[in-house]
Amino acid sequence: SQQGEEDPQALSIQEGENATMNCSYKTSINNLQWYRQNSGRGLVHLILIRSNEREKHSGRLRVTLDTSKKSSSLLITASRAADTASYFCATDLPGSSNTGKLIFGQGTTLQVKP
Amino acid sequence: KAGVTQTPRYLIKTRGQQVTLSCSPISGHRSVSWYQQTPGQGLQFLFEYFSETQRNKGNFPGRFSGRQFSNSRSEMNVSTLELGDSALYLCASSSGLAGGPGNEQFFGPGTRLTVL
Repeated sequence: SQQGEEDPQALSIQEGENATMNCSYKTSINNLQWYRQNSGRGLVHLILIRSNEREKHSGRLRVTLDTSKKSSSLLITASRAADTASYFCATDLPGSSNTGKLIFGQGTTLQVKP
Repeated sequence: KAGVTQTPRYLIKTRGQQVTLSCSPISGHRSVSWYQQTPGQGLQFLFEYFSETQRNKGNFPGRFSGRQFSNSRSEMNVSTLELGDSALYLCASSSGLAGGPGNEQFFGPGTRLTVL
């Protein structure tokens, strides 16, 4: 079963607006990552946040992590048409931390209209 | 550094056939993981190889197998193909070192497999 559940499933905004996507997971984690996928192609790593971190920034991206609620959010500020993509959260599981075994959420499809 | 490469990019097979997909990781990466992506099930972990040994395995039937060579290149094989095996198969590589800074995965463009 999926570890991560993402909300919303789809999001449509205007260029310049902010986009927020949420991810919830079920078990304890070592770290949580966010990936972007453009139209059925490979995934691109965006940001990794460790379980002992609460917030992390990278350019226009801001990620928060609340381990007590088992949830994370990804905020994209001042969105651009090029941000149109699907966004996935991914977690590792105890026993397979720092390995290639990630559990992905179902993803949020973001459309940014010019 | 060159990115992760996967071959072939597209493949059409018929039920009952078998298929082999190839993945070349980023130079220096020792971990290669495989994922299956379908509209219904999303991204599902197949298995991971590290230094030629399978380190992790997902919940897929034995028809799905893989291996890793001494140069870290990896192949996955699916035997007795079923219609439900139609998917995008993604390969990812990382340093794979336990206790490292994190397990950021670098993905290839994928192989689109269609089973008729």
